[in-house]
Amino acid sequence: QVQLQTSGPGLVKPSETLSLTCTISGGSITGYYWSWIRQPPGKGLESIGYIHYSGSIGYNPSLQSRLTISVDTSKSQFSLKLNSVTAADTAVYYCARGSPVFDRWGQGTLVTVSS
Amino acid sequence: EIVMTQSPATLSVSPGERATLSCRASQSVSINLAWYQQKPGQAPRLLISGASTRATGVPAAFSGSGSGTEFTLTISSLQSEDFAVYFCQQYNDWPLTFGQGTKVEIK
Repeated sequence: QVQLQTSGPGLVKPSETLSLTCTISGGSITGYYWSWIRQPPGKGLESIGYIHYSGSIGYNPSLQSRLTISVDTSKSQFSLKLNSVTAADTAVYYCARGSPVFDRWGQGTLVTVSS
Repeated sequence: EIVMTQSPATLSVSPGERATLSCRASQSVSINLAWYQQKPGQAPRLLISGASTRATGVPAAFSGSGSGTEFTLTISSLQSEDFAVYFCQQYNDWPLTFGQGTKVEIK
């Protein structure tokens, strides 16, 4: 059973860069799209972007100017970098398998943007 | 972007009863519509894609219908484990967008 585990700081200062990594275990990273989704506290879900194991990428236009998603197939990992963060970027960040439908999700990690 | 609107925001249902959740798209998404279930403190779980195709392991009590702009998720007989928040998501157009969710609570 494939599992996804998110890692990264839970607290980021305003204007700095939010960095998260998702590690895949129990399955292969190849052959799939991999995605990031976020959920502000008490709110709905927002699609951030996706990456294919081959490297093709799609970003939400609302975040595109600040966003980088990358993949490292040798480590079975994909990563998210969001720069110039503000309080509006405070959310639970999920990594997931698939795009445009997400059939496996990681447990999510709360990232708070605060000084 | 396509706006997804779910109704009602909260649905109070007794165990064993049927629940009907609605999702409306601001423009046609064909059948490119998924439903997810989210329990407190957990990640969402895929229930349905293609508007009506159940994901692996999803009980037959869950059914989806609709096309274009109007969609429905029906839970035929609510079990205790079905009380959760349900989100719809369109994938006909980028960016992918979700509804704000319907909370199904015990009446």
